[in-house]
Amino acid sequence: EPEVTQTPSHQVTQMGQEVILRCVPISNHLYFYWYRQILGQKVEFLVSFYNNEISEKSEIFDDQFSVERPDGSNFTLKIRSTKLEDSAMYFCASSEAGRGRYEQYFGPGTRLTVT
Amino acid sequence: AQKVTQAQTEISVVEKEDVTLDCVYETRDTTYYLFWYKQPPSGELVFLIRRNSFDEQNEISGRYSWNFQKSTSSFNFTITASQVVDSAVYFCALSYTSQGGSEKLVFGKGTKLTVNP
Repeated sequence: EPEVTQTPSHQVTQMGQEVILRCVPISNHLYFYWYRQILGQKVEFLVSFYNNEISEKSEIFDDQFSVERPDGSNFTLKIRSTKLEDSAMYFCASSEAGRGRYEQYFGPGTRLTVT
Repeated sequence: AQKVTQAQTEISVVEKEDVTLDCVYETRDTTYYLFWYKQPPSGELVFLIRRNSFDEQNEISGRYSWNFQKSTSSFNFTITASQVVDSAVYFCALSYTSQGGSEKLVFGKGTKLTVNP
């Protein structure tokens, strides 16, 4: 069964460093998403991406964040200068279409630890 | 604004008991979708069910069943004859569609279910 994959599974970085989290969505999916979950808290939407551009972003997704689909398979989330409060689990998701017609499939997550 | 409330933070049951996880949502949209996801201790999010706002039929899948009641804005999830492997955090979510057609999921805070042997 196709699945969303994410690398790395765990990333430790120092405050102020740039990190890139990578995701490979399911191949025929058109919509891509990033969510984050601070430990013990709820899952929060960061950004959605369709047709090579951001469709929507949350208040959390400030100028320190960017997303890119550099080739036909990868979908990346970059944090330019990490802060302690960026420590969280980051989930990538993809769906075949939008408007809730298809479920979003989530990857296993990348745990980001900022020290 | 879209909002999902899962009032039960933690529930503990003994194996074989039935358990119901509550979910109440708020939205101004007339068309919306509701979801349940399971997050086992390993951390991944596992899709369980999607429901659209026009379909109020209850759904059963094995030991899982869902009760959608638009009148009370609730989408409750029942596990029958619970098993230890059901121990996880369960999230209810509501979709919100932007003008561009993509959607975001608004999650509740989750209910941690512990099934004891």
